[in-house]
Amino acid sequence: SYVLTQPSSVSVAPGQTATITCGGDSIGSKLVHWYQQKPGQAPVLVVYDDKGRPSGIPERFSGSNSGNTATLTISRVEAGDEADYYCQLWHSTSFQYVFGTGTKVTVL
Amino acid sequence: QVQLRESGPGLVKPSGTLSLTCAISGGSIGRDLWWSWVRQTPGEGLEWLGEIFHTGSTNYNPSLRGRATISIDKSTTQFSLNLTSLTAADTALYFCARTRDSVTFTNSHYFDLWGQGALVTVSS
Repeated sequence: SYVLTQPSSVSVAPGQTATITCGGDSIGSKLVHWYQQKPGQAPVLVVYDDKGRPSGIPERFSGSNSGNTATLTISRVEAGDEADYYCQLWHSTSFQYVFGTGTKVTVL
Repeated sequence: QVQLRESGPGLVKPSGTLSLTCAISGGSIGRDLWWSWVRQTPGEGLEWLGEIFHTGSTNYNPSLRGRATISIDKSTTQFSLNLTSLTAADTALYFCARTRDSVTFTNSHYFDLWGQGALVTVSS
């Protein structure tokens, strides 16, 4: 099965930039989506199709994808960005939705 | 706006069957949408279980080995999950979600709307 690997945690100071990676075999040839999940809440889509941003999501959230790594970047981090973040893709070969292992972002 | 809400028993016995329902409010089942079930455990993270189309066509995660059945009721705008032969490993927070096809790319699908989740514990 296809595996998506994320760092378990990322720490960042307010106002700085958080970078969350999602590694997978030739992931750059696939389309990656990102979710934010705060404690006790459902996931919320923050980036789709590598770099698309749903309505209502701040421009501070951006995505990129190349080679074996997809990246979610949060610029000018705020305390409210503290959450778990998950990458996800549709693996057409196995006909499955695959989620990454998740990254906890802590705002110092 | 469209909202999803899961309902079902919070406690189920081992070897039993889990039945969850997702009520769609503020919208219809739709003619171009898939509806999914996703669960979350501390150890395994997020796991997609399966999806259903308005026609009743379904796709399932092979890891469930045929234990899952998803059905849809357009008259009540609800869809349901049945999961059989339960073990402690099925203890999880179960979400229903709307699956969206990318308008730009083929082979791109994501979850753009989620319910709040229903906690299910498998225990005797």
